[in-house]
Amino acid sequence: QKEVEQNSGPLSVPEGAIASLNCTYSDRGSQSFFWYRQYSGKSPELIMSIYSNGDKEDGRFTAQLNKASQYVSLLIRDSQPSDSATYLCAVKGGGGSNYKLTFGKGTLLTVNP
Amino acid sequence: GAVVSQHPSRVICKSGTSVKIECRSLDFQATTMFWYRQFPKQSLMLMATSNEGSKATYEQGVEKDKFLINHASLTLSTLTVTSAHPEDSSFYICSARVASGIVGNEQFFGPGTRLTVL
Repeated sequence: QKEVEQNSGPLSVPEGAIASLNCTYSDRGSQSFFWYRQYSGKSPELIMSIYSNGDKEDGRFTAQLNKASQYVSLLIRDSQPSDSATYLCAVKGGGGSNYKLTFGKGTLLTVNP
Repeated sequence: GAVVSQHPSRVICKSGTSVKIECRSLDFQATTMFWYRQFPKQSLMLMATSNEGSKATYEQGVEKDKFLINHASLTLSTLTVTSAHPEDSSFYICSARVASGIVGNEQFFGPGTRLTVL
């Protein structure tokens, strides 16, 4: 069974700091990796996607992927109170054609003013 | 771009009634749509994968006769919760996969429908 593991948190950081969110996955054949942000009572919003090893930067967000270690992370620089949310790591498996995503349980991030 | 809408956003119904939820891709064609359910403080659980013009594929443990899915066009999928019971109360979220273009394989989520069964 494919699994995606995340620390549930809560992760608390001061405003302006770097928040580091981590995720591991069990399916070595996984090809696509995503980070979603979900505010309380709302649906997930795609923040980043990453497909190859290394870093991918988009504004204050950097996704890092290490397929050998089956590890993907999200760094948020200059954290803002508005970044406070649950961050979901999602992985698309390597096989099949139905593009199913497996989600982690999410990490609750709190950015303190 | 890649906007997904859901209707209704919130519904309260009596036990035993049926509820239909619509999911639309507004500015793109979605050959595949997904239906998720999320209970409080839990992650998203995939219920079924919906492909335009064919029968939906349900995840293990999801009753296909209770959760009817129709994906009649490239922009519309519907989920009908039949004979709803209080334990069906949850946050139902659809997503659509962008089949082509720059974005690639990402799934974009609708705003969700909060169902409360009394």
